[in-house]
Amino acid sequence: EPEVTQTPSHQVTQMGQEVILRCVPISNHLYFYWYRQILGQKVEFLVSFYNNEISEKSEIFDDQFSVERPDGSNFTLKIRSTKLEDSAMYFCASEPGQDPYEQYFGPGTRLTVT
Amino acid sequence: AQKVTQAQTEISVVEKEDVTLDCVYETRDTTYYLFWYKQPPSGELVFLIRRNSFDEQIEISGRYSWNFQKSTSSFNFTITASQVVDSAVYFCALRDSWGKFQFGAGTQVVVTP
Repeated sequence: EPEVTQTPSHQVTQMGQEVILRCVPISNHLYFYWYRQILGQKVEFLVSFYNNEISEKSEIFDDQFSVERPDGSNFTLKIRSTKLEDSAMYFCASEPGQDPYEQYFGPGTRLTVT
Repeated sequence: AQKVTQAQTEISVVEKEDVTLDCVYETRDTTYYLFWYKQPPSGELVFLIRRNSFDEQIEISGRYSWNFQKSTSSFNFTITASQVVDSAVYFCALRDSWGKFQFGAGTQVVVTP
């Protein structure tokens, strides 16, 4: 069964450093998402991506965040200058864009900023 | 602005009891989508169901059922004859037609044998 993969599973970085979180969505899917979940809290939407551009983003997704689909398979989330409060689990998801509108989630990347 | 309210923070039941999770939403959009997700203790997010704003109905799938009512802006979820494996956090979410999501705070379901 096709699945969404994410690498790395755990990333530790120092405050101020740049990180890139990688996701490989399911190949024929059209919509891609990044979500964040701070430990013990609710899932927060960051950004949706369709047709090679951002279709929606939340207030959290400020200038320090960016997304890219550089090669038609990978979908990346870059955090330019990490802060302590960026420590969270980051989930990628993809969706076919047609019936059935099922979302497939990756296993997540745990980001720890020290 | 969109808002999703899951007023129940935790529900504890004994196995085989039914569990109903409440979800109330607010939106000004006429086209929107409602979702339920499950997050077991292992941490992964599992998609359960999506419903469109024009698809108001009660739906049953195995032990799960959903009751979407626009008149009360509610999208409730019921687990019938709960099992220990149903123990998880359940999130309700609202998506607008552009792909922007708003999640509820989640309801922790604890099923004891």
